[in-house]
Amino acid sequence: EIVMTQSPATLSVSPGEGATLSCRASQSVNKNLAWYQQKPGQAPRLLIYDASARATGIPARFSGTGSGTEFTLTISSLQSEDFAVYYCQQYDNWPPLTFGGGTKVEMK
Amino acid sequence: QVQLVESGGGVVQPGGSLRLSCAASGFTFTNYGFHWVRQAPGKGLEWLAFIQYDGTTKYYADSGKGRFTISRDNPKRTVYLEMNSLGTDDTAVYCCAKDIWQQLGYFNSWGQGTLVTVSS
Repeated sequence: EIVMTQSPATLSVSPGEGATLSCRASQSVNKNLAWYQQKPGQAPRLLIYDASARATGIPARFSGTGSGTEFTLTISSLQSEDFAVYYCQQYDNWPPLTFGGGTKVEMK
Repeated sequence: QVQLVESGGGVVQPGGSLRLSCAASGFTFTNYGFHWVRQAPGKGLEWLAFIQYDGTTKYYADSGKGRFTISRDNPKRTVYLEMNSLGTDDTAVYCCAKDIWQQLGYFNSWGQGTLVTVSS
């Protein structure tokens, strides 16, 4: 099973600032990585797939980079609606599909 | 638009069983694989099971292997998760999620989930 590790667990950011979230895989997942955003009481929303492709309707301030074992989600200028929990997920080698533990982006 | 609506959750005693349903609308149901994912209170996401578009291929996480069964009824546009021998650590919100295609392994639509509480 591929273990996904996200850091930091919590990120405190002021609106308008940028945020960088990290995701590490225990073995290479090539570029088969997705990022999701989840707000309280809501289902997750797909942001990024194939490590760097934005899903339909996702603003350009969200960008993903990386391949192999190291990945980054960058939010260039945080809007109020971006405060949420973000999860990475690998789909390179499954079953099982595996998620990281999440990074909570909170308002500073 | 794409809609996934789960039902069937509730309170069940340890050792009990439940069958969850996920009703789909707004797209060609038979083109897509489906997954079940759960989220324990205050915790992260855990993938549980997958079923291929035609029901011929099924995969399970170790946590549900032998206890959970995924199935689908294409004419009814519904996916099911049969859960047996439930324990308190199965308490979670259970969501169905639509694969981006047949079996790529990531999700572009999720239901809101149904809460399963295992308690005596």
